[in-house]
Amino acid sequence: NAGVTQTPKFRVLKTGQSMTLLCAQDMNHEYMYWYRQDPGMGLRLIHYSVGEGTTAKGEVPDGYNVSRLKKQNFLLGLESAAPSQTSVYFCASSWGGRGNEQFFGPGTRLTVL
Amino acid sequence: AQSVSQHNHHVILSEAASLELGCNYSYGGTVNLFWYVQYPGQHLQLLLKYFSGDPLVKGIKGFEAEFIKSKFSFNLRKPSVQWSDTAEYFCAVNSAVVRAGNMLTFGGGTRLMVKP
Repeated sequence: NAGVTQTPKFRVLKTGQSMTLLCAQDMNHEYMYWYRQDPGMGLRLIHYSVGEGTTAKGEVPDGYNVSRLKKQNFLLGLESAAPSQTSVYFCASSWGGRGNEQFFGPGTRLTVL
Repeated sequence: AQSVSQHNHHVILSEAASLELGCNYSYGGTVNLFWYVQYPGQHLQLLLKYFSGDPLVKGIKGFEAEFIKSKFSFNLRKPSVQWSDTAEYFCAVNSAVVRAGNMLTFGGGTRLMVKP
């Protein structure tokens, strides 16, 4: 099993450009999450999904959109990138039960110039 | 709202020294507690977790953590660190009552550097 994979690993954008980050999991997990990691701030939840076709806002959703058309995939979109979105983005998945251990992908390092 | 505080942002130790990383949380109900580790250039991995029962939890690689309910704390410990423990450590909490999403709240992280 590959676990949780993310593409791309690195990306540089100019302000105003758009892009989509892809997360895929092969563990048949119901729940999927997108976080951003910034120095000294830990991980902050952007959006999450509790099942195929569902999405919900997390702590810092502004400037991002998500879609979960297939159970195994969770896409994070930036419609008009801003320098404040320079960060490392992590996807995670879990089966959603009690305790909710989350399994993380390797991350995407995004720089917005 | 839940919050997690990790007061030690950077810790530098020599090999064989003992480690204790602090984690305090703020939440009114029953919680689940986690410690994750992120080695340089890698993704987060679960070190250990507490759901209920014995408040002293043992995890991988010789780590352990103690849940002290009265202090809202879940400190991570290791008796003797190794150079390979150099990493960033994150404490996280969520509600023990299963809710939609059941999201984790993370602390700001502690960067540990172990000198050989």
